[in-house]
Amino acid sequence: AQSVAQPEDQVNVAEGNPLTVKCTYSVSGNPYLFWYVQYPNRGLQFLLKYITGDNLVKGSYGFEAEFNKSQTSFHLKKPSALVSDSALYFCAVRNAGATNKLIFGTGTLLAVQP
Amino acid sequence: GAGVSQSPRYKVAKRGQDVALRCDPISGHVSLFWYQQALGQGPEFLTYFQNEAQLDKSGLPSDRFFAERPEGSVSTLKIQRTQQEDSAVYLCASSLGGTGTEAFFGQGTRLTVV
Repeated sequence: AQSVAQPEDQVNVAEGNPLTVKCTYSVSGNPYLFWYVQYPNRGLQFLLKYITGDNLVKGSYGFEAEFNKSQTSFHLKKPSALVSDSALYFCAVRNAGATNKLIFGTGTLLAVQP
Repeated sequence: GAGVSQSPRYKVAKRGQDVALRCDPISGHVSLFWYQQALGQGPEFLTYFQNEAQLDKSGLPSDRFFAERPEGSVSTLKIQRTQQEDSAVYLCASSLGGTGTEAFFGQGTRLTVV
């Protein structure tokens, strides 16, 4: 069965500092991995994805994520956090060989303090 | 429009009432998904369409839930005899289809059953 774990309910970081939001996954076969962000009363917005190729993927708003197959992780990172990055972040996985449905984690609330 | 559009944005239903939630996907998107997001949780898959064909309905919680996409564009999620546990945000997403394509989400319909 496919699953995603986001071990931190909340991450606090000061503006200008680097941030990391953690994600680990379990899937049979090759994983397709995604990060989405959700602002209050808004739908999910796509940030980035890993399908194949380079383990470091770059996405919107300066975010990037590193795929680590041996650790089954796909942590979201940003070198310098902004207050406007404060939101709920979801990691999701899809089995490359299965239907297109995404399995989401429970979300991590990122709070960036000025 | 440019994005996925859902209506209504908010719906209050009395227990036992039937409701219908509408989704207008991005034009040309082959794949359409419905997800249910309970408060404080990640989205949970309900069902998936490829054009007008419903290829996966494994996430529908009961036979009170029914989804259709008769012409391969607009989709409707219907919930019969609503119960309090149906209260959630219902998210619709669409994608071009094909390997590894990301899904784009609507703002959701918040359903409250009283």
